[in-house]
Amino acid sequence: AQKITQTQPGMFVQEKEAVTLDCTYDTSDPSYGLFWYKQPSSGEMIFLIYQGSYDQQNATEGRYSLNFQKARKSANLVISASQLGDSAMYFCAMRTQTGNQFYFGTGTSLTVIP
Amino acid sequence: DVKVTQSSRYLVKRTGEKVFLECVQDMDHENMFWYRQDPGLGLRLIYFSYDVKMKEKGDIPEGYSVSREKKERFSLILESASTNQTSMYLCASSLDPGTGITFGSGTRLTVV
Repeated sequence: AQKITQTQPGMFVQEKEAVTLDCTYDTSDPSYGLFWYKQPSSGEMIFLIYQGSYDQQNATEGRYSLNFQKARKSANLVISASQLGDSAMYFCAMRTQTGNQFYFGTGTSLTVIP
Repeated sequence: DVKVTQSSRYLVKRTGEKVFLECVQDMDHENMFWYRQDPGLGLRLIYFSYDVKMKEKGDIPEGYSVSREKKERFSLILESASTNQTSMYLCASSLDPGTGITFGSGTRLTVV
């Protein structure tokens, strides 16, 4: 069975500091994609970053980077230089080659403190 | 940009009513999804569709059905609404397994 685990229900970070949001996944498929989404209080889901299972380098998008450790089956999101606008729910997701489903974790609520 | 439009932002329905949640995407995506989101449970897949008239059950299909008569439209139907179906419903679409999933703005449904 496919599964995404986010073990941090809530996180706090000081403005301008970096923060790591944890995500582990479980799949037997050799090919898969890992995604992170941000959901502000307004409710929309915003795509942040993508990592393919065969990608050799960790994905980066501006202040977001994905710390991909394939052997550990982890795909942690790192946000550098946190801003107040980063306060939101963050969801890790996985899509596997077999089937067309996206599997989501339970989310981490991030609060940036001024 | 891909746009996924959900017809209602907020809905209040009575127990036992038949409820239709509509979703339209404008980028010719093959795959469409319906999720419900509840605090502490994340997003749970109700149904998805990979082609017109094709549908597959997700993790929590009980009490729901779907319809996809046209490629751009994917409807979620609550046959007889119950209070435990009060939730945020998110529609999404994607092109293929290698691409991300694009969400609509969600429908917050309250069943009283």
